[in-house]
Amino acid sequence: EVQLVESGGGLVKPGGSLRLSCAASGFTFSSYSVNWVRQAPGKSLEWVSSISSSSRYIYYADSVKGRFTISRDNAKNSLYLQMNSLRAEDTAVYYCARDHLSVGPTDFDYWGQGTLVTVSS
Amino acid sequence: EIVMTQSPATLSVSPGERATLSCRASQSVSSNLAWYQQKPGQAPRLLIYGASTRATDIPARFSGSGSGTEFTLTISSLQSEDFAFYYCHQYNNWPLTFGGGTKVEIK
Repeated sequence: EVQLVESGGGLVKPGGSLRLSCAASGFTFSSYSVNWVRQAPGKSLEWVSSISSSSRYIYYADSVKGRFTISRDNAKNSLYLQMNSLRAEDTAVYYCARDHLSVGPTDFDYWGQGTLVTVSS
Repeated sequence: EIVMTQSPATLSVSPGERATLSCRASQSVSSNLAWYQQKPGQAPRLLIYGASTRATDIPARFSGSGSGTEFTLTISSLQSEDFAFYYCHQYNNWPLTFGGGTKVEIK
């Protein structure tokens, strides 16, 4: 069974940093691109960042470019999101999601349950 | 950036009735369009990809159509478990973008 489990969320002050993790299991992690998608309270979904299977290709939304860094460790079946210079508008549930197809960009067929990040003083 | 516009924002439907949700792209996304269902407190669930292909284990009452800039998700006969939020998602161009969502509620 494919599973994605996020961790690392919490309360952080504006300007602070946080590192999210996503542990993958039930599939060959190193064969898939993976993504971070966030959802602010009561709002729609917003794509944040994508990383290809070998980490060769990385993409960011303009809203986080220069502040967030996506990375992965295929040996540990893990995805990460380093978030720096956090702002109130970064408050959201952060989901990791797997690419459906091997040739991207593509839709997302499996999602984690999400981890809540709250940026507030 | 491709803007995805969903309508209506809220759709009130009685169980057993048909629901039709729309998604419009600000420029062509070919057939690179997915639909997701999300219930409160849960992660999104993939329903449709490639504009019209049902994902694994998705009931046949869900169908998608369209290409280019106009897309439709149809739920042929609403069941109680179908009352939820629905989002479209284009993956034709970076940045990937989602629509604002349609809430399907019980009439």
